[in-house]
Amino acid sequence: QQPVQSPQAVILREGEDAVINCSSSKALYSVHWYRQKHGEAPVFLMILLKGGEQKGHDKISASFNEKKQQSSLYLTASQLSYSGTYFCGTEIGDYKLSFGAGTTVTVRA
Amino acid sequence: DSGVTQTPKHLITATGQRVTLRCSPRSGDLSVYWYQQSLDQGLQFLIQYYNGEERAKGNILERFSAQQFPDLHSELNLSSLELGDSALYFCASSAGLAGGEQYFGPGTRLTVT
Repeated sequence: QQPVQSPQAVILREGEDAVINCSSSKALYSVHWYRQKHGEAPVFLMILLKGGEQKGHDKISASFNEKKQQSSLYLTASQLSYSGTYFCGTEIGDYKLSFGAGTTVTVRA
Repeated sequence: DSGVTQTPKHLITATGQRVTLRCSPRSGDLSVYWYQQSLDQGLQFLIQYYNGEERAKGNILERFSAQQFPDLHSELNLSSLELGDSALYFCASSAGLAGGEQYFGPGTRLTVT
């Protein structure tokens, strides 16, 4: 049930863009995105519900393709503060969040 | 600061022992979730309580149990500890029963020796 995230890691220069993908084999009710910096707790970024709505948080946005059970997180014009591990959490309507293995993003000056 | 507090921050104990981890949710939040994060298993959902009642169960071992008290704080009890139980244990809280954003506490790092 664990969603699959890709890529596992990405290295960016400041100002570059990146896309993180999250896919599930099950029909999804919602997709959650979190960012975790080393030694810290995961921090909520956004939730996408069924309906394919795209959301944004500063220059980080996400989409949810309900038919493909996939979500993508877009990091635009990346900043040093974007470094961390990004997790998608998927929920199939049973109150349980299943997290992907994470994508480590490193943004360099 | 998410507003979720967890104690203790670090815990070192021996195999076979029992420990209790404590969590206080954000003010007003009724749901409490427990997660285990280890290098090989990633972030795993253990259990959820909503307003004192167990609502969802994940990959929680029988040696582990949890409860949520009338003041909404929660405790996770881990017994007959094994080396493999060493991990970071997070508590998270949310306002409603399901679907909302979860706010994570700073975690308790458990080391079993």
